[in-house]
Amino acid sequence: DAGVTQSPTHLIKTRGQQVTLRCSPKSGHDTVSWYQQALGQGPQFIFQYYEEEERQRGNFPDRFSGHQYPNYSSELNVNALLLGDSALYLCASSFSGTNTGELFFGEGSRLTVL
Amino acid sequence: KQEVTQIPAALSVPEGENLVLNCSFTDSAIYNLQWFRQDPGKGLTSLLLIQSSQREQTSGRLNASLDKSSGRSTLYIAASQPGDSATYLCAVPRGYNTDKLIFGTGTRLQVFP
Repeated sequence: DAGVTQSPTHLIKTRGQQVTLRCSPKSGHDTVSWYQQALGQGPQFIFQYYEEEERQRGNFPDRFSGHQYPNYSSELNVNALLLGDSALYLCASSFSGTNTGELFFGEGSRLTVL
Repeated sequence: KQEVTQIPAALSVPEGENLVLNCSFTDSAIYNLQWFRQDPGKGLTSLLLIQSSQREQTSGRLNASLDKSSGRSTLYIAASQPGDSATYLCAVPRGYNTDKLIFGTGTRLQVFP
């Protein structure tokens, strides 16, 4: 049973560039959320996707956008990168049909902005 | 506004000790509470999930308790091992959206032989 998978694992960009991160949810899951984790901090919620629509959004600017595909996989896009966007980006998935509320995370994508 | 705090921020202990990690939250109206483990530079591994109606959950050497009225959860690690070295994070949902978690900043644990 494959867990949450993310790609790429590491990437380096320069200020002003754009980046796309990818996530495949755990088998059987239909909801994907994205988190940003700065060094030494707890993860911060970016947004949640369900049924190919953004359902909830955290306190992040419009430079952060996403997409969910019919197979439930998801992308996180960040435009006009800033140095402060350097972080570990975590994807999490869950199944909407359960009431346990347990969230499963991937290994993350480490983004460095120079 | 829900805030989650974890104490201590860091802990270094010899192998074999029983450990207590603390998590506190300001709004007791939580749906559940989840404990995670994070190895350096890695993702989060779910350890225990406690529903709001439960008082505790156990998995192997791990036991987590929840006291909603006092806004506290405790993760107890029995007979610690060097392999337990990691950062431990607790998180609660914001409202009823259980995918929208609020995390503490974690407790960084080092267990030395």
